[in-house]
Amino acid sequence: RKEVEQDPGPFNVPEGATVAFNCTYSNSASQSFFWYRQDCRKEPKLLMSVYSSGNEDGRFTAQLNRASQYISLLIRDSKLSDSATYLCVVTPRIQGAQKLVFGQGTRLTINP
Amino acid sequence: DGGITQSPKYLFRKEGQNVTLSCEQNLNHDAMYWYRQDPGQGLRLIYYSQIVNDFQKGDIAEGYSVSREKKESFPLTVTSAQKNPTAFYLCASTTIGRDRGNEQFFGPGTRLTVL
Repeated sequence: RKEVEQDPGPFNVPEGATVAFNCTYSNSASQSFFWYRQDCRKEPKLLMSVYSSGNEDGRFTAQLNRASQYISLLIRDSKLSDSATYLCVVTPRIQGAQKLVFGQGTRLTINP
Repeated sequence: DGGITQSPKYLFRKEGQNVTLSCEQNLNHDAMYWYRQDPGQGLRLIYYSQIVNDFQKGDIAEGYSVSREKKESFPLTVTSAQKNPTAFYLCASTTIGRDRGNEQFFGPGTRLTVL
């Protein structure tokens, strides 16, 4: 079993739709969680951290379920510019240098 | 502007040659990382370093070597022992903090192609 698993997609949705991604992780000791966005042939960039209480940033909402060991990302009112690959990332500890573990990414295409 | 730079952006190498990828950061970050990304896959950790003159192997270190002689520099050498070196190589850095999950900032990457 992979340490971090995502549905690779691709997801093709119309502009304005709501889309949700899930990600599961196997290491129950994981402490920090992130969603990164990666555009085609570019480097990953942090989209948002994921906190235990859940957090929202504009059209994006991230949630964490520690009991079931999954993380979700919800994108509302999707825009063409949201087309990218979304990477789920977990790390086993907060202190010290982190070894981030990446999922394989979920590819999203927003259609006009 | 603070950031991470990688060079070159594209690199072509003949089989059997060693090649060194550059990574420099002026963010005063303590930790630096090298990842490899293959098409349709996530990032896999090659090596990381928390402090100058110290580094640790990641999940796929075989065929690679690194050095950390300066805080701002973490070059990666892809040796001829690496069986399938064609990939997208990403360097990242982060601070080492106590109470938060620290964001890793990535450089723009180097695409290595072995001919």
